[in-house]
Amino acid sequence: KAGVTQTPRYLIKTRGQQVTLSCSPISGHRSVSWYQQTPGQGLQFLFEYFSETQRNKGNFPGRFSGRQFSNSRSEMNVSTLELGDSALYLCASSSGAYNEQFFGPGTRLTVL
Amino acid sequence: KNEVEQSPQNLTAQEGEFITINCSYSVGISALHWLQQHPGGGIVSLFMLSSGKKKHGRLIATINIQEKHSSLHITASHPRDSAVYICAVRPGNQFYFGTGTSLTVIP
Repeated sequence: KAGVTQTPRYLIKTRGQQVTLSCSPISGHRSVSWYQQTPGQGLQFLFEYFSETQRNKGNFPGRFSGRQFSNSRSEMNVSTLELGDSALYLCASSSGAYNEQFFGPGTRLTVL
Repeated sequence: KNEVEQSPQNLTAQEGEFITINCSYSVGISALHWLQQHPGGGIVSLFMLSSGKKKHGRLIATINIQEKHSSLHITASHPRDSAVYICAVRPGNQFYFGTGTSLTVIP
């Protein structure tokens, strides 16, 4: 089975721009979660989707949004980028909400 | 206030040593996860446990729900075990992560 894939792997943007990151889960997995990792804050939970519905959301501003498609692929969007949004963005898929998570390689976003 | 505390933050060991990483949490949980992150960022889920003990090869994870404490043990450590180990808990609808333990195993 192919693992979780994320595109792009690296991205450079400037302040004020917006960005869309993509995550393709393991085949058959219906739950996708997104995380932000920074040196200062560590790993933080962004949101979780299951069957196209956002089930849970972390403590992030409304500039961070996401969606999930009928094929379980998920995208997250960050609008009006700030320098502090520079981070590694990870997605993880699982077969259910409380099951083991499988992580993708991450997208490293740099905001200049 | 950190819902998840890990110790130690950094750990250096000689190859072959027995290693213990500790995780304490302050919230009620349904499960606790141990994750491994190698340089470059990729994260691998090592264990998900809600009670007792689990073993995969040289790795052992234990959890004491009453004491809100979990430990990750590595027996016969090897340089390829060098990584950051992260404890994560899920109380309801949120995930909380420890700050990680950076392990370096010297040959």
